[in-house]
This record gives sequence, structure tokens and C-alpha cells, in this order.
Amino acid sequence: GESVGLHLPTLSVQEGDNSIINCAYSNSASDYFIWYKQESGKGPQFIIDIRSNMDKRQGQRVTVLLNKTVKHLSLQIAATQPGDSAVYFCAERANQAGTALIFGKGTTLSVSS
Amino acid sequence: SAVISQKPSRDICQRGTSLTIQCQVDSQVTMMFWYRQQPGQSLTLIATANQGSEATYESGFVIDKFPISRPNLTFSTLTVSNMSPEDSSIYLCSVVPGPTYNEQFFGPGTRLTVL
Repeated sequence: GESVGLHLPTLSVQEGDNSIINCAYSNSASDYFIWYKQESGKGPQFIIDIRSNMDKRQGQRVTVLLNKTVKHLSLQIAATQPGDSAVYFCAERANQAGTALIFGKGTTLSVSS
Repeated sequence: SAVISQKPSRDICQRGTSLTIQCQVDSQVTMMFWYRQQPGQSLTLIATANQGSEATYESGFVIDKFPISRPNLTFSTLTVSNMSPEDSSIYLCSVVPGPTYNEQFFGPGTRLTVL
């Protein structure tokens, strides 16, 4: 599968490959993290989340990994499909419920068939 | 989750004018936020819309430029005042449905072009 070391603005993969999108977050006190998918002309759509007391969480075809030591978050998409093509954002919340999410830079995922 | 609608979905405006964007949620929600997404960029938080009181603005955003109202738990407005081409962006409403939720849900956005 394809992966990026640190954040890259674009990632191109073939259909069926596994994709890994990385994100470095800024606040060591952040307690909650979300990955969003944004398709052209639409608002961000929730994909998966993880709390800071976990290091891995799995969903359907997606896995989020959290490394608090280096403040790094990754999103793994298994068997990437053309419908996965979109911009992906990670977001963090400071250690306080009710505060707004702060977004990282996005990564554009392009899946070719 | 919550179903969020925004009006208008898009607009083209002349510089110096103002535009008010509406955000309507299908259920009462605890928290409402407004974000800006400049072309090709990530989302930046403008403010937290507080029900019955003045909004809480992030650094770089002021009430005179972006007045916000939140008269109840399902509705908020954001006004972009005295617009310039630099205000051309997508403006997004976001909510946290309730105290047991962590996730934020987003509306479809309002795409604003200022000429």
C-alpha cells in the first residue's frame, strides 16, 4: 500500500491498494481526535474518532492509529475504492468537552481504477 | 446525529455589501460553531455561537466583521459584513448535538464569492 511519512497534500493510489494518511497534531493536551472526509461541494463527513486513552480504533475498512509520544495520528483505508477519493482532514479537541475542533491540513486522496 | 441545513448554499456578492448565512438544525443541540474554509485550505474556527449571549470569537475574528446570532438551540446566523474579495470562502456551520456527544457534525456549507 501507499503511505506518507508526514503530511503530504496529495496521495494517489490504485483501486484495491491500502492507503495511509498521516497527520501531526499540535496540542499534547488534546483528548479527542476525528478524521473527516470532504467531497467536492460538501461539508466534512465524520469517518472515525479516537480518544486519547486509546492507540488504535477500527471501523469498517478504516483504522485510526494514535501515537501520543510523537503527536501523530494516521488513517488507514483498506482496499481503497474510487469513492474514497476526497480530501481528508484530521481534527483535535483540546482537553475540554464542548470546545470546538481544530483542524489540520488536508490530504487529497485520488484513487484510480 | 443531527441534520444541518444552511441557506444560501452559495452566493455571489459585491464588495462592501453584507450577507447573512442561516444554519438550521433538526433538533436542539448543545454547541454550535462557525468555520471558514478558504479555497483549497483547511477549516478555521471563526466563533462559538452561544445561545442567548454574545458569541465567543477566535483570534483574528471580530464581532463587527462577523456578527453571530443564536436565538435558540436549533438556529444560528453568521453575517459577513462589508465584504471584500478576501472573504470569498466556504462558511460552515457545525454542531455538537449534546453533552454525551464528542463528534461534531457539519452542514453542507455556504460558498461565498465576493467580486
